[in-house]
Amino acid sequence: QITLKESGPTLVKPTQTLTLTCTFSGFSLTTSGVGVGWIRQPPGRALEWLALIYWNDDKRYSPSLKSRLTIARDTSNNQVVLTMTNMDPVDTATYFCAHRTVVTGEPADYWGQGTLVTVSS
Amino acid sequence: QSALTQPASVSGSPGQSITISCTGTSSDVGGYNYVSWYQQHPGKAPKLMIYDVSKRPSGVSNRFSGSKSGNTASLTISGLQAEDEADYYCSSYTSSGTWVFGGGTKLTVL
Repeated sequence: QITLKESGPTLVKPTQTLTLTCTFSGFSLTTSGVGVGWIRQPPGRALEWLALIYWNDDKRYSPSLKSRLTIARDTSNNQVVLTMTNMDPVDTATYFCAHRTVVTGEPADYWGQGTLVTVSS
Repeated sequence: QSALTQPASVSGSPGQSITISCTGTSSDVGGYNYVSWYQQHPGKAPKLMIYDVSKRPSGVSNRFSGSKSGNTASLTISGLQAEDEADYYCSSYTSSGTWVFGGGTKLTVL
């Protein structure tokens, strides 16, 4: 059974760096074809794909946010960490982490419950 | 990359069929058979309903179907039920090796 859970601060100040952790179970990020990604959703708005890391440490970033994002994995602890620099109120959103495989083309098949991050001074 | 274009809202009566469109470009929807559709109820995580244009994950009702023509993909829901009322998002793989979502469509079951 695949599960993912996001954790991190619920409130950050403008210009600060956000660090979110995705802790997962039911799969290994060392298994060929597996990836873990991040997707966010501002309140009342659409989903936005952010970043993805694969079993082989290949990393992909949204072109519009690439300069602000870093994704990394901790395979021993079954975790993926996303950092986003220079936070702004427009970055207020629910941040989801999700599992995917290269066998199919969707960005995510299993999702975490999401964590709401508010950016405010 | 710009978000894929979806109608803001669609509606239908129970038992009817509705179709939601998702328009992109040759760099995403038109270039790959990697369009997926998600259903999202308020306060919940999205649920995968269709992947690779027209395939259904195990457990998803066969009332949900997907198709694609050129740069436009479509999600059809037949035999509308009250529990189908939700937001629906399309997504596509892109030539950048990343993914892009649509703006979302709110489905109202009248």
